[in-house]
Amino acid sequence: GAGVSQSPSNKVTEKGKDVELRCDPISGHTALYWYRQSLGQGLEFLIYFQGNSAPDKSGLPSDRFSAERTGGSVSTLTIQRTQQEDSAVYLCASSSTGRNEKLFFGSGTQLSVL
Amino acid sequence: GQQLNQSPQSMFIQEGEDVSMNCTSSSIFNTWLWYKQDPGEGPVLLIALYKAGELTSNGRLTAQFGITRKDSFLNISASIPSDVGIYFCAGRKRIGGGADGLTFGKGTHLIIQP
Repeated sequence: GAGVSQSPSNKVTEKGKDVELRCDPISGHTALYWYRQSLGQGLEFLIYFQGNSAPDKSGLPSDRFSAERTGGSVSTLTIQRTQQEDSAVYLCASSSTGRNEKLFFGSGTQLSVL
Repeated sequence: GQQLNQSPQSMFIQEGEDVSMNCTSSSIFNTWLWYKQDPGEGPVLLIALYKAGELTSNGRLTAQFGITRKDSFLNISASIPSDVGIYFCAGRKRIGGGADGLTFGKGTHLIIQP
């Protein structure tokens, strides 16, 4: 597609339920990132995929968070046993490799845990 | 992790005024990026800076990569209503890819009063 697509745009869930967030990166972009944006805060790095390399999971806040990227394209971020503090906007970004790497962001998924 | 100090946290200005915001760090960065986020959207890249001392313009926006490589500023001249949003700086510690190389500031909320 023309840009990074994320779905759903909004997700309301009950505490303790699992959720899956989807990201379709720009076609041909080999790098894919997940960030979390809490109200009034900056962008918190979660996980990074680059081609076929092992993902950089150093930003995942707990073992309830996981992500996968199938076929080097679509990515899914899964949050198990959601907690209220997981409520945030989850942003996906992709980029092409190269010296002048720039991130292109999706519109995000607004997650609300009740 | 690395910290970027972005200021001011928010700005209330009149339409037509000039705007200035900056980011500082105790660490050296190889790349500085400035993003703008509209409500309900993901951040969009405004300007990218790759060399110390570099001054780059994009329409009414001007950004500079500090000589010390530890700071950057963004100026907006003659503000208009569509400039409203959150502006993020981001610094990258090494050229090329790598999620751990990119750090975001907490953002500057720009509000234009009628």
